[in-house]
Amino acid sequence: DTEVTQTPKHLVMGMTNKKSLKCEQHMGHRAMYWYKQKAKKPPELMFVYSYEKLSINESVPSRFSPECPNSSLLNLHLHALQPEDSALYLCASSQPTGVEMYGYTFGSGTRLTVV
Amino acid sequence: LAKTTQPISMDSYEGQEVNITCSHNNIATNDYITWYQQFPSQGPRFIIQGYKTKVTNEVASLFIPADRKSSTLSLPRVSLSDTAVYYCLVGGPRMDSSYKLIFGSGTRLLVRP
Repeated sequence: DTEVTQTPKHLVMGMTNKKSLKCEQHMGHRAMYWYKQKAKKPPELMFVYSYEKLSINESVPSRFSPECPNSSLLNLHLHALQPEDSALYLCASSQPTGVEMYGYTFGSGTRLTVV
Repeated sequence: LAKTTQPISMDSYEGQEVNITCSHNNIATNDYITWYQQFPSQGPRFIIQGYKTKVTNEVASLFIPADRKSSTLSLPRVSLSDTAVYYCLVGGPRMDSSYKLIFGSGTRLLVRP
């Protein structure tokens, strides 16, 4: 299995809703990432997890709450979002670093619309 | 983190070779150079990665000069399906075995018939 699977593919939520995005990989990767991408812009790093521990939080507002329950699963919990949070949310994973660096494997993303 | 600079857009025709250059003047010693391709509403797809000199795989070549302050992605004989955004990323492994890769603005490649 060489994929990163993200669910749902599309999500519409109201500003008072609570929802979660899910990301799963079975490649044995021990680092997982969340990126946010607005239309016609490059992906922006949000969070990095390494060995299930939060390693980087790029000053993301607390209405976004990441969680890494195990080495294969990464969640992004959403609460009280604003319309400007509408974007494509991308998950990625990477194998542990060694002599060579291999970069990320990305999922196809969740298209989030906040109404 | 090294900042990257790429052309905003490029046009080409089917069958031509396309070269996209990326500038990364403050690349660090342990940084690698990685290129990704992205189609609309899809996740970025890994194309190629290198540290120095030349790397070639089945879809592209990557040329890196000795000073490593720039790199050139070469796509041989492009087709219409190569129309996409191409990102150059510079980064290396961190102490906790993760990476921190920051995307530059990317190059929008349009391949015409």
